[in-house]
Amino acid sequence: QSALTQPRSVSGSPGQSVTISCTGTNSDVGAYNYVSWYQQHPGKAPQLVIYDVSKRPSGVPDRFSGSKSGNTASLTISGLQAEDEADYSCCSYAGTSTHVAFGGGTKVTVL
Amino acid sequence: QVQLVESGGGVVQPGGALRLSCAASGFTFTSHTMHWVRQAPGKGLEWVAFVRYDGSDEYYADSVKGRFTISRDTSKNILYLQMSRLRGEDTAMYYCTRDSSWTMFDYWGQGTLVTVYS
Repeated sequence: QSALTQPRSVSGSPGQSVTISCTGTNSDVGAYNYVSWYQQHPGKAPQLVIYDVSKRPSGVPDRFSGSKSGNTASLTISGLQAEDEADYSCCSYAGTSTHVAFGGGTKVTVL
Repeated sequence: QVQLVESGGGVVQPGGALRLSCAASGFTFTSHTMHWVRQAPGKGLEWVAFVRYDGSDEYYADSVKGRFTISRDTSKNILYLQMSRLRGEDTAMYYCTRDSSWTMFDYWGQGTLVTVYS
């Protein structure tokens, strides 16, 4: 069982928006602004799309955005495109005992 | 350009050992904390271990503590993961990844597959 909870799947039509939640505790997501999100296409390595809750690395389209409220972080993909179909995993710094926590991953399907 | 290339995976019997390597290039290796993250078939990502940029500290997930050892050779720019007393649940793709700021894993290797199978 993963430390952070994500929905197994979400779906949307091209052009729509989808939001993926990532629920932790006040020892990880709720305690630090160090939440990151990773996109992973089948058979490929994960790729960073969001870090520090809401920052985008250079080269990541601005249709990807992140936010956090309490113990839940969220990734929103606006203007969904076919190439956005992939698995998305959240990650949080979890303090000096657990260190790093990942979510179980969410499959995004573009209808 | 930044490159991380893992090697050393394979098939091993339960109780056996393997050493994974991750060759780093294109960046100052001694400036970054480095992590191993694994992914069992069909499952999510699981953090395994990290070693600080200067090798001063290393930390492990409870699931591997006492069985795995992470280390780095700064003269060769290589990250290692020595795995012993392997179990079936250690079967996974193992990725090395660069940490640029508090779980900002901005570069990943292609992964190396470890299969524990009797």
